Amino acid sequence: NAGVTQTPKFRVLKTGQSMTLLCAQDMNHEYMYWYRQDPGMGLRLIHYSVGEGTTAKGEVPDGYNVSRLKKQNFLLGLESAAPSQTSVYFCASRLGQGVETQYFGPGTRLLVL
Amino acid sequence: GDSVTQMEGPVTLSEEAFLTINCTYTATGYPSLFWYVQYPGEGLQLLLKATKADDKGSNKGFEATYRKETTSFHLEKGSVQVSDSAVYFCALSVDSWGKLQFGAGTQVVVTP
Repeated sequence: NAGVTQTPKFRVLKTGQSMTLLCAQDMNHEYMYWYRQDPGMGLRLIHYSVGEGTTAKGEVPDGYNVSRLKKQNFLLGLESAAPSQTSVYFCASRLGQGVETQYFGPGTRLLVL
Repeated sequence: GDSVTQMEGPVTLSEEAFLTINCTYTATGYPSLFWYVQYPGEGLQLLLKATKADDKGSNKGFEATYRKETTSFHLEKGSVQVSDSAVYFCALSVDSWGKLQFGAGTQVVVTP
């Protein structure tokens, strides 16, 4: 089991560019989450999904879109990157309702210039 | 809204010292409480959890007790090791979707 993997590990973007972050899990988990981590602020939820084909907004969804076309993958898109989106992005997954442990990926460090 | 407040770091300790990291919360419902740990360059790992009042979570020598009367979930370890150097996050979840609300994190540095 690879667990939760994230691609890429590090990326530099210019303002206005777009990119997609990929999260993959091989644990057959129903729920998946995208968080961003900023200094002094802990992790904040961007979007989440409770099953294939479903997505919902979290605490800080503006500027991001997501898709869950396959159960094992959860994509996070930035259509027009801004310097305020410089952050470390973590994906997490959870088996489903009633099982609370979330498993986190290693993170993607994004720098927007 | 729901929130988590934890003590600021960094907390610097000598090996074998006692560690306490304070965590308090506000929540509208009956949250589950968690401590996650982040080692350098890695993602977060669940350290321990408690799902109802007076529950004690424990793992790897760490303990935390869910105190509803003081809305607290303080993390303790009796004798820290250099390998415990990490950032510790307190978090809560109040809904069935498992959305986590995190505290800001506390960096712990243990010196030999």
